[in-house]
Amino acid sequence: NAGVTQTPKFRILKIGQSMTLQCAQDMNHNYMYWYRQDPGMGLKLIYYSVGAGITDKGEVPNGYNVSRSTTEDFPLRLELAAPSQTSVYFCASSFRVHGGYGYTFGSGTRLTVV
Amino acid sequence: TQLLEQSPQFLSIQEGENLTVYCNSSSVFSSLQWYRQEPGEGPVLLVTVVTGGEVKKLKRLTFQFGDARKDSSLHITAAQPGDTGLYLCAGANNFNKFYFGSGTKLNVKP
Repeated sequence: NAGVTQTPKFRILKIGQSMTLQCAQDMNHNYMYWYRQDPGMGLKLIYYSVGAGITDKGEVPNGYNVSRSTTEDFPLRLELAAPSQTSVYFCASSFRVHGGYGYTFGSGTRLTVV
Repeated sequence: TQLLEQSPQFLSIQEGENLTVYCNSSSVFSSLQWYRQEPGEGPVLLVTVVTGGEVKKLKRLTFQFGDARKDSSLHITAAQPGDTGLYLCAGANNFNKFYFGSGTKLNVKP
């Protein structure tokens, strides 16, 4: 019962470097999401996907890209890392919960850009 | 600008006390959820409410959705140290996307 798996758990990047945050779910959920959580703040939606091949921007998409080639995987790409992208990143997938959609979250990736 | 405002931001109480945290917005939501998050982990869903005025109970936790579906409250009776964590509300104005509040950090002292 893996649920939502995120890798890596921690990463330190230098300014201008690129990386991909991996997210995989084994629950056959159509909907997947990327959020970032800054200290003392709630979660901000970066990108989301309603199914393979379909992605859309959330509240804070600048500096990020996503792809969804399979139902299971939803990687998040940072092309030119900036200090403002230091944050904890959470991937989530959703299932139907009595007329709404409840999220299952991964355990997060803590990213520091120096 | 936060779509959802949570209050209080921080709450430190003794074991056995009762408490209420609030989630308010000027927007109407089709559904609202409450999550609990522990340090180093992702949020875990506690409840979803979808009907204005709806009340749901989960052991010592009582959740209420406002009549106008703009606000919600979470009441904990006889708090225990295991209730310590960050409580987040999240509202959806369509079924696929939720917006999160900034959270209430609860500390229950033994």
